[in-house]
Amino acid sequence: AQTVTQSQPEMSVQEAETVTLSCTYDTSESDYYLFWYKQPPSRQMILVIRQEAYKQQNATENRFSVNFQKAAKSFSLKISDSQLGDAAMYFCAYRSGGSNYKLTFGKGTLLTVNP
Amino acid sequence: AAGVIQSPRHLIKEKRETATLKCYPIPRHDTVYWYQQGPGQDPQFLISFYEKMQSDKGSIPDRFSAQQFSDYHSELNMSSLELGDSALYFCASSLGTVSYEQYFGPGTRLTVT
Repeated sequence: AQTVTQSQPEMSVQEAETVTLSCTYDTSESDYYLFWYKQPPSRQMILVIRQEAYKQQNATENRFSVNFQKAAKSFSLKISDSQLGDAAMYFCAYRSGGSNYKLTFGKGTLLTVNP
Repeated sequence: AAGVIQSPRHLIKEKRETATLKCYPIPRHDTVYWYQQGPGQDPQFLISFYEKMQSDKGSIPDRFSAQQFSDYHSELNMSSLELGDSALYFCASSLGTVSYEQYFGPGTRLTVT
């Protein structure tokens, strides 16, 4: 079974600065997808960014980018120019590319943005 | 853009009662997933449906059942509720099982007293 590990329960960053959230995963599959979801205090799960394992190029969405290291099974999220609205719980998630389509989540990292 | 709709948003039940949660996927999405998020926990997969057929099953108690209807909406039925069932229940939808992005609804917060 796949597992997702987020080793940082909490992180903090100053407004306008950059922060990196870590995620590692364990799988024997070669085809899979990785995601970062944001859960603000409203508890809504918001898709931030996605990465296909077969793509070598790291995904980027505006101020959010990932560092995908397939051999190391690492998938970190970088938030640039942090804003107060970025404060939330961030979950890393794994989805198989095969017949099992459920998302497996890490335990989450609570990000605080200080003004 | 239309999003996933869940109803009710909040539900309070007593132990041993039953509850029904409803999910309306994004238009044209034919795959629905249910997740349970306990307090301070990450979401845990319960069950999924593709084209009205169960496609995968996770750690869903036998007291729970679910189905997807002809209009693709889904219902999660929960019986003999226990205090431990208190959680946030998310529904997510996607376009087929090939489209790998799942979009989540706002969740239903179930409180069992």
